[in-house]
Amino acid sequence: GAGVSQSPSNKVTEKGKDVELRCDPISGHTALYWYRQSLGQGLEFLIYFQGNSAPDKSGLPSDRFSAERTGGSVSTLTIQRTQQEDSAVYLCASSLMGPNTEAFFGQGTRLTVV
Amino acid sequence: KNEVEQSPQNLTAQEGEFITINCSYSVGISALHWLQQHPGGGIVSLFMLSSGKKKHGRLIATINIQEKHSSLHITASHPRDSAVYICAVRWRGGNKLVFGAGTILRVKS
Repeated sequence: GAGVSQSPSNKVTEKGKDVELRCDPISGHTALYWYRQSLGQGLEFLIYFQGNSAPDKSGLPSDRFSAERTGGSVSTLTIQRTQQEDSAVYLCASSLMGPNTEAFFGQGTRLTVV
Repeated sequence: KNEVEQSPQNLTAQEGEFITINCSYSVGISALHWLQQHPGGGIVSLFMLSSGKKKHGRLIATINIQEKHSSLHITASHPRDSAVYICAVRWRGGNKLVFGAGTILRVKS
């Protein structure tokens, strides 16, 4: 695709429900990242994929959070039993491999847990 | 303590003014990114630097590796430059980006 695509753009869910957020990276980008931006806070790292494997999951805040990537392309971030503190904008970024490669960000999914 | 420090946190300027936003980091990096985020909008990558200086239109980014410091300059600022500017670094040997808290820029006409 032309850019990193995320869906849905907005999601309102009730506390305790599970949600799935989707990221479709730029074609050919083997590196994929999930970040979170809470209200009034900076961006924080959640998880990094290299191909289909996730060598760095250190940013996932609890075991309610999980992510997978299939076919080296689309990634899904799942939050189980959502809590109000999960409300945030979830951003996906993709890049080619290598330390000096530009990261391209999606528009984000704004998650609101009520 | 955030390992990537930005200053100022907030900046208000008059249209036409020269603007500087600063970023300092604590350890060796492989690359530094300057990002722009408009209200309600996504994040756009402005620059990626590992040394020296880059220029794109009215935007200039510089980095001093020895001093662990980078600056983003905006010349002839315009209200459409109003946004949050975020500095992010990739530590040497690492993969993820670590972000500064951002600088909220407002340019008044």
